[in-house]
Amino acid sequence: EPEVTQTPSHQVTQMGQEVILRCVPISNHLYFYWYRQILGQKVEFLVSFYNNEISEKSEIFDDQFSVERPDGSNFTLKIRSTKLEDSAMYFCASSEVSGLASTDTQYFGPGTRLTVL
Amino acid sequence: GQQVMQIPQYQHVQEGEDFTTYCNSSTTLSNIQWYKQRPGGHPVFLIQLVKSGEVKKQKRLTFQFGEAKKNSSLHITATQTTDVGTYFCAGRRGRRALTFGSGTRLQVQP
Repeated sequence: EPEVTQTPSHQVTQMGQEVILRCVPISNHLYFYWYRQILGQKVEFLVSFYNNEISEKSEIFDDQFSVERPDGSNFTLKIRSTKLEDSAMYFCASSEVSGLASTDTQYFGPGTRLTVL
Repeated sequence: GQQVMQIPQYQHVQEGEDFTTYCNSSTTLSNIQWYKQRPGGHPVFLIQLVKSGEVKKQKRLTFQFGEAKKNSSLHITATQTTDVGTYFCAGRRGRRALTFGSGTRLQVQP
């Protein structure tokens, strides 16, 4: 069964450093998402991406964050200058684009655990 | 902004007992999805409810969507140790972004 993959599984970085988290969405999916989950808390939406541009973003997704689809398969999340509070599990998700936007099922990757020291 | 709350936060049951988690949204939803997250794992899609009053079953799991499309429930009959994990509801108001509930962590004692 096709699945979303993410690399690395764990990233440790120093505060102020840039990190890039990578995702390979399911191949025929056209909508991509990033969510994060601080340890022990709920999953929070960051951003959605379609047709090479941001479709929606939350208030968490500030100027420190950016997303890119550098080629036909990868989808990346960049954090420019990491802060301690960026430590979390970051999940990538993807969905097919159905005729009715509100019923697309999102499939989550295994996540990247980001630890900022 | 939209808020989705779940109760209880935590439930510990004996294997074979039933379990229910409730989800309430501050706003009307276009649909609701349920996910299961095993300890150390990622959210795994279980089901999506779209219609007002909809009820769907998956083996021992029964999902309901309220008439007003603001609340939902997941009921597990005769829990098994494999049901252990955190169950999240996630609502959507027409756009694609999901607003996740706070989750209910289920522990099943063998």
